[in-house]
Amino acid sequence: DVKVTQSSRYLVKRTGEKVFLECVQDMDHENMFWYRQDPGLGLRLIYFSYDVKMKEKGDIPEGYSVSREKKERFSLILESASTNQTSMYLCASSQDSPTNEKLFFGSGTQLSVL
Amino acid sequence: LAKTTQPISMDSYEGQEVNITCSHNNIATNDYITWYQQFPSQGPRFIIQGYKTKVTNEVASLFIPADRKSSTLSLPRVSLSDTAVYYCLVVSGYSTLTFGKGTMLLVSP
Repeated sequence: DVKVTQSSRYLVKRTGEKVFLECVQDMDHENMFWYRQDPGLGLRLIYFSYDVKMKEKGDIPEGYSVSREKKERFSLILESASTNQTSMYLCASSQDSPTNEKLFFGSGTQLSVL
Repeated sequence: LAKTTQPISMDSYEGQEVNITCSHNNIATNDYITWYQQFPSQGPRFIIQGYKTKVTNEVASLFIPADRKSSTLSLPRVSLSDTAVYYCLVVSGYSTLTFGKGTMLLVSP
């Protein structure tokens, strides 16, 4: 079974700190994604990557950046954390497919910015 | 990108069949209909995908009428552990997946 591992389950940071959220997948998937999930808003796509060193903006990229130096690892970076970035962050990966059927998600990182 | 509309919430009792309908009036020829399930404090999990007619797996069935403007996820004989949020997505190859707010299904004893 595919495993998507997020480095932290819970994280507490202070306003203005630089925050790194790490995600690793073990199935050689080409595609990786970062979403955030907030009550009443569903999942919103922040950034995604179709290949090493490639990145594309999602629906809400402001205040975030990403890094994909290796195929299995996709990092989300909050350059200067703010309280409105308190959220559940979900990483996902998928194989290239004409039917695009399966995203595999990690368990999420609940980030609190104080 | 086809927009989907599904009920915000549904209630059921253990042992009942639950049908969650999703409308997607603007679905394109190359689009597939995909459903995910999300338990609290977990990421969403793929349940089922279909293009037309009926698809069944060990978890659910998916019914898609000929015009494909809607679809119905059917969960047979639900249990308390089926309490979750269910997302309907319309996807095409190599596109990003957009999750709406989903349907919160609450199964009671």
